Amino acid sequence: EDQVTQSPEALRLQEGESSSLNCSYTVSGLRGLFWYRQDPGKGPEFLFTLYSAGEEKEKERLKATLTKKESFLHITAPKPEDSATYLCAGHSYGQNFVFGPGTRLSVLP
Amino acid sequence: GAVVSQHPSRVICKSGTSVKIECRSLDFQATTMFWYRQFPKKSLMLMATSNEGSKATYEQGVEKDKFLINHASLTLSTLTVTSAHPEDSSFYICSVSRQNTEAFFGQGTRLTVV
Repeated sequence: EDQVTQSPEALRLQEGESSSLNCSYTVSGLRGLFWYRQDPGKGPEFLFTLYSAGEEKEKERLKATLTKKESFLHITAPKPEDSATYLCAGHSYGQNFVFGPGTRLSVLP
Repeated sequence: GAVVSQHPSRVICKSGTSVKIECRSLDFQATTMFWYRQFPKKSLMLMATSNEGSKATYEQGVEKDKFLINHASLTLSTLTVTSAHPEDSSFYICSVSRQNTEAFFGQGTRLTVV
C-alpha cells in the first residue's frame, strides 16, 4: 500500500534558525513528489514537484530535495510568515495523490 | 491567479438540511476533479473522484448517498452533503489535476452543522 509519512509532526523555530522537514514515502511507480504549504482555514498551495532522485528545487527560503526513499524541505533563515503546515504528497502513474499528515511549522520572531 | 475556485468558503446549516459546495476549474478544462475532507490537524482524506459525464468514484467508507457529487461540465463539480449531521462538520477541499500531474486546490469550505 502506498504510504507517505512526515516528521516531525510539529516544529518550532526561532526566526533565522534553519531546519529541515522530512517526507518518507513508499509509493510504487512514483511519478512525482509534491510539496504544499497550507495556512489555517485555506486550501493547500503548491510549492514544488520533484520527479527524480537527486533533483532539487528552490523558492525563496525553501529548497526541496529528493532521494529514492525520502524528500526534504529545507528552510533557510525562516521568517514568521513561513509559519504554516507543510504537506508532501506522492503521486504514481494512474493513481491518486497520497498525502502525508503534514508538519506544522511555527517560526517565532 | 487562482486556478481553482471553491464556494462557499464557510457555511453553517441545521441538522437534516443539505448543503451544496461548488468547485470550478478556472484555468483549464478538467475531466477529473477530486474531493477531500480534512479533520483538524490532520491531512487530506480523499473522499471521491469526480468524473465529467459519469458517476463519481468513491473511496472506501464514504457514503455515496450522503455525499452526492455531480460533474456536469468540464469546469464545474459540486459536492452536496445531504441530511447533514454534526459529525459531517469538517473542512472540505476540492482539487483539480492538470494532465494528471500537478494538483491545484480550492480554498476549502468550512462546514458547520448545528
